Amino acid sequence: AQSVTQPDIHITVSEGASLELRCNYSYGATPYLFWYVQSPGQGLQLLLKYFSGDTLVQGIKGFEAEFKRSQSSFNLRKPSVHWSDAAEYFCAVGAVTNKLIFGAGTRLAVHP
Amino acid sequence: DTAVSQTPKYLVTQMGNDKSIKCEQNLGHDTMYWYKQDSKKFLKIMFSYNNKELIINETVPNRFSPKSPDKAHLNLHINSLELGDSAVYFCASSLLAGDTDTQYFGPGTRLTVL
Repeated sequence: AQSVTQPDIHITVSEGASLELRCNYSYGATPYLFWYVQSPGQGLQLLLKYFSGDTLVQGIKGFEAEFKRSQSSFNLRKPSVHWSDAAEYFCAVGAVTNKLIFGAGTRLAVHP
Repeated sequence: DTAVSQTPKYLVTQMGNDKSIKCEQNLGHDTMYWYKQDSKKFLKIMFSYNNKELIINETVPNRFSPKSPDKAHLNLHINSLELGDSAVYFCASSLLAGDTDTQYFGPGTRLTVL
């Protein structure tokens, strides 16, 4: 069955520190992978996506993610976190008929 | 200009009532979706329409009925509301129905059933 696991429910980092949010997926075919961010009280905004090609993808707001097929992972990274990055982050895999299967999300808190 | 809009933003109602949530997209997309986000922030797809035709219908109670009057609109009608229907409902749209198409989300409708 298709699934997405985000092992970290809640992460706290200091402003300016680096960030890595973990995402593991289970999918039988070539996965199409997404990271979305949800700010408090807002909808979801696409940060980046991986379909094929270069396994390191760049997104908006200085985020990047690396697809590792051998580890079934698609971790999100940012070299220096800003206070405005505090939000909920969702990893998702695109299944047949464009059904997005989401992970449970990781809440990021940023300390000044 | 708002790409995907939903109304209302908040909806508080009593158990047993019938209510509707409306969604409109001005992106010219062919495919629209409804997702439910529960109290633990878990997001799950409910329905998807492509060119006004239903293409995804997850195991959702038949009290939930989507209606797509045209490609730009996908409304969600809920009959006989229950406490467990309390959630945030997100509408989304994508250009096509392929599994690589980016979905654009609306701001959500927070439904509270008392």
